[in-house]
Amino acid sequence: QQPVQSPQAVILREGEDAVINCSSSKALYSVHWYRQKHGEAPVFLMILLKGGEQKGHEKISASFNEKKQQSSLYLTASQLSYSGTYFCGTESGYSGTYKYIFGTGTRLKVLA
Amino acid sequence: DAGVIQSPRHEVTEMGQEVTLRCKPISGHNSLFWYRQTMMRGLELLIYFNNNVPIDDSGMPEDRFSAKMPNASFSTLKIQPSEPRDSAVYFCASRSQGSSGYTFGSGTRLTVV
Repeated sequence: QQPVQSPQAVILREGEDAVINCSSSKALYSVHWYRQKHGEAPVFLMILLKGGEQKGHEKISASFNEKKQQSSLYLTASQLSYSGTYFCGTESGYSGTYKYIFGTGTRLKVLA
Repeated sequence: DAGVIQSPRHEVTEMGQEVTLRCKPISGHNSLFWYRQTMMRGLELLIYFNNNVPIDDSGMPEDRFSAKMPNASFSTLKIQPSEPRDSAVYFCASRSQGSSGYTFGSGTRLTVV
């Protein structure tokens, strides 16, 4: 039931790009993305609602394909500060009965 | 805004003792969530409240766990009696309605010996 993220772990050099995928077995209402650094709380990055829109900032963006029940997070020109564990959080169900589940996580390490 | 405030930050207790974790959500946020994080199981939703009302407690492991939200600015998660397998980081998060994400508190690291 837990959304599956891929890859499980990735190592990058500064300036390289990465894609993290999140795949659910349930129909999704929305997908959130979070980054968690070691010993800290997860920090919200962005939310994508049903509708397939792509959101984000210059170097971190995401897409949501509700038909495939998948979301992808795109990190471009990675920086050292991008290191951490990335989680997708999913909402499924209907208003008043939403289920909230976090994905398996992707550990990302950016090297100088 | 001070963010979501959790206390204590760390708790070490002996098996069988009662443990109470506390959370103050962000003012104006109408949803509050309790999560548990372990290496083995990742981030698990225990329970969430909308407007102080428990909506889904299906993630609460067993009757030893209980949660309350007596008002919009305070929630507790209680474990009685505690067991070593309850050792984890417990996060509280709050959210306003609509298209926003969660704001997590700093967490409580619980160790039951």
